[in-house]
Amino acid sequence: EPEVTQTPSHQVTQMGQEVILRCVPISNHLYFYWYRQILGQKVEFLVSFYNNEISEKSEIFDDQFSVERPDGSNFTLKIRSTKLEDSAMYFCASSRYSYEQYFGPGTRLTVT
Amino acid sequence: QKEVEQNSGPLSVPEGAIASLNCTYSDRGSQSFFWYRQYSGKSPELIMSIYSNGDKEDGRFTAQLNKASQYVSLLIRDSQPSDSATYLCAVNPKSRGGSEKLVFGKGTKLTVNP
Repeated sequence: EPEVTQTPSHQVTQMGQEVILRCVPISNHLYFYWYRQILGQKVEFLVSFYNNEISEKSEIFDDQFSVERPDGSNFTLKIRSTKLEDSAMYFCASSRYSYEQYFGPGTRLTVT
Repeated sequence: QKEVEQNSGPLSVPEGAIASLNCTYSDRGSQSFFWYRQYSGKSPELIMSIYSNGDKEDGRFTAQLNKASQYVSLLIRDSQPSDSATYLCAVNPKSRGGSEKLVFGKGTKLTVNP
């Protein structure tokens, strides 16, 4: 069964550094998403991406964040200058249409 | 304003019993409703989707939707210890100009005791 994959599984970075989180969505899916979950809190929407452009973003997704689909398979989330409060699990998700979303295993980001 | 509310639990049931999980949402125009299961330290796993009023059954799982009451529930029949997880209710507030995002509740932690 096709799955969303994410790399790395754990990323440790220093405050102020740039990080890029990578995702390979399910191959015939058209919609791509990033969510995050701070430890012990609810899953929060960051951004959705369709037809090579951002279709929606949350208040969390400020100028420090960007997304890109550099080729036909990868979908990336970049955080330009990480803050301590960016420490969280980051989940990529994809959907064939804008309905059922399937999540990847996540990247645990630790900012020190 | 909180948009998706769930009882945080923990909910504890004996093996073989029915577990009932509840969720309410505030956006009356919401169109799509989902239940995800999240094991500790893992990602959300989609287990049920429901789009119209009534019941939808899939194996041991039944999702129920009542749009007038803005209420979604998940029943797990013949609960097994492997069902022990946090169950997340997620709502797509499609009424907001075609939004695709999911809004999640905090989740209900279910423990099934052998």
